[in-house]
Amino acid sequence: EVQLVESGGGLVKPGGSLRLSCTASGFTFSNAWMNWVRQAPGKGLEWVGRIKSKTDGGTTDYAAPVKGRFTISRDDSKNTLYLQVNSLQTEDTAVYYCLWFGGSGWYWGQGTLVTVSS
Amino acid sequence: EIVLTQSPGTLSLSPGERATLSCRASQSVSSSYLAWYQQKPGQAPRLLIYGASSRATGIPDRFSGSGSGTDFTLTISRLEPEDFAVYYCQQYDSSPYTFGRGTKLEIK
Repeated sequence: EVQLVESGGGLVKPGGSLRLSCTASGFTFSNAWMNWVRQAPGKGLEWVGRIKSKTDGGTTDYAAPVKGRFTISRDDSKNTLYLQVNSLQTEDTAVYYCLWFGGSGWYWGQGTLVTVSS
Repeated sequence: EIVLTQSPGTLSLSPGERATLSCRASQSVSSSYLAWYQQKPGQAPRLLIYGASSRATGIPDRFSGSGSGTDFTLTISRLEPEDFAVYYCQQYDSSPYTFGRGTKLEIK
């Protein structure tokens, strides 16, 4: 069974940083292209970025609003995906989800809440 | 960037009726890399359809997806009370992957 479990969210002041984690199981993580999506309170879904597998180059892509502030990385030995979020702004307040596209569609974690407030 | 426009923004129907939700892309979504989700308050999105027309595991057959190119449709053949929620489309053909702004399906 595919499982994605996010952690690391919390309350942070504007300008602060956090590192979110997503631990994966039930599929071959090292071969997977992984994604982050976020949802601000009461708003729609926003794709944050993606990291390819190392065999496909391990490169990253980001949405324009987060480029230069957010960094996606992975540790295949730990089956873990990371999202380093820096220079946080109040508009980054959201639930952050990690996603994987497998043969039977998209799999989502339950999300972790990041609140940016002074 | 591919922009997805969902219509209508809100759809008011009664249980038992048929619902037709539209998702239009600003450019062609090749290989039908288009998904549909249902989301209820306080819950993560639930995948309904991927590849434009493939139902996800466990999704009832009253949900169906169709379309190609720039025009896609989610149809719910006969609404059940639990179907009233917000629905999103997503394209995963080209980065940045994008979502539509959602259609709220409410009880009339």
